[in-house]
Formats: sequence, C-alpha cells, structure tokens
Amino acid sequence: NAGVMQNPRHLVRRRGQEARLRCSPMKGHSHVYWYRQLPEEGLKFMVYLQKENIIDESGMPKERFSAEFPKEGPSILRIQQVVRGDSAAYFCASSVWGRRHGYTFGSGTRLTVV
Amino acid sequence: QQQVKQSPQSLIVQKGGISIINCAYENTAFDYFPWYQQFPGKGPALLIAIRPDVSEKKEGRFTISFNKSAKQFSLHIMDSQPGDSATYFCAASPRAQKLVFGQGTRLTINP
Repeated sequence: NAGVMQNPRHLVRRRGQEARLRCSPMKGHSHVYWYRQLPEEGLKFMVYLQKENIIDESGMPKERFSAEFPKEGPSILRIQQVVRGDSAAYFCASSVWGRRHGYTFGSGTRLTVV
Repeated sequence: QQQVKQSPQSLIVQKGGISIINCAYENTAFDYFPWYQQFPGKGPALLIAIRPDVSEKKEGRFTISFNKSAKQFSLHIMDSQPGDSATYFCAASPRAQKLVFGQGTRLTINP
C-alpha cells in the first residue's frame, strides 16, 4: 500500500514561471491537505480539498496560488508567476475521514525559485 | 489565537536521557493534539496524539502530558537514542481538521 506520493521531489523554476505540484493520496483516502514549510519553520496550512471540492482555502495566498482535486487523478497545487519568496517545501497529506482517522504526509516537493 | 508556541528551538540530550519538548496554545477550540517527527528530506510522520479529555498518553518510550487548564502539552522521550535525532513538531487541530503547527524543535541525541 503506497503512501502519499508527491512529485516532483525537487522543482526549480525561474521567476515568473509556473509551478505545478502533484499529490496522489493513499488508496481509499478522499481528503487532501496542502501545507507549506519555509526553512527552519513549522508547516503552515494552505488548503483542504475533497474530490472536486475545496473545503477550506483559508491559508492560500489570495493571488497566484490555486489548488484542485479532480474526480480522477492527483491533486494539483499550482503557483503562477513564481517569486523567490515561494521557495519552500510543499507537503501534501491525505486522510479518510479527516485527521481523526489517519493523516499521512508525503515526502514533499522542494520548490526553488531562481 | 491560532498559534501554537513550541520550545525549545533546539535541544541536545545525552543517550539514555529524557528529552522534553513543550507547547502552549490559546485557542480553546483545539481538540486534537498530535506530535510529528520529521527527518531531513522527509515529510512529518505522526508519532503520538492526545485528546483534551486525557491528561497523559504513553506509547513505548514516548509520552504526551496534557494540562488543559494551563493550555499546555509536552512530549517526553524516555531513554533517548541517537535514532531519535530529528525535528519534532507539536500541532493542534480545531474541528475544522486543519493542523496548526508549532515552530519545531531540533533534537540531537549525543551517543
């Protein structure tokens, strides 16, 4: 039973380009969460999605960031026109019913903006 | 009110000693308090978690102590081993399911 799969593991983008981060939840998990971790800091919640629905996007920056979790396929976190401040590790987690029933993190995507 | 404050930022403990990491919160809507362990280049992994109706929970060498009136909780690692060297995060969650993380503690166990 594979865990939460994130790809790519490392992503380098020039300023102004788009970054697409993918997350495949664990089998049977229908809830996906995205978190951002800046160097030497804790993880910060960004968005919580169920299939085809955004449940809570209170942690998402108002501009340039979007997320989706389609009926088929992985969840996508999209960052348009990246800036140096977007450089961070982005982690995805998945669960069945929410955090009470298992909340498993992937290994993350490390985004570097040059 | 959404913050979780964690201390210390870094901790060095001798092998066999007890590692203690503390967290404090303000939001009384938090009702789930997990601890995560993170190794370099990896995602956080759930270590142990507690609900506020319990004052202590033990799993192997790891114990959470919870003080609801003080709004504080702590992680104790007994008989600390070099393999425990990692970054530890406390977290708290309201019913809305998202986790609010502390700033992390970098633990080093000296052999």
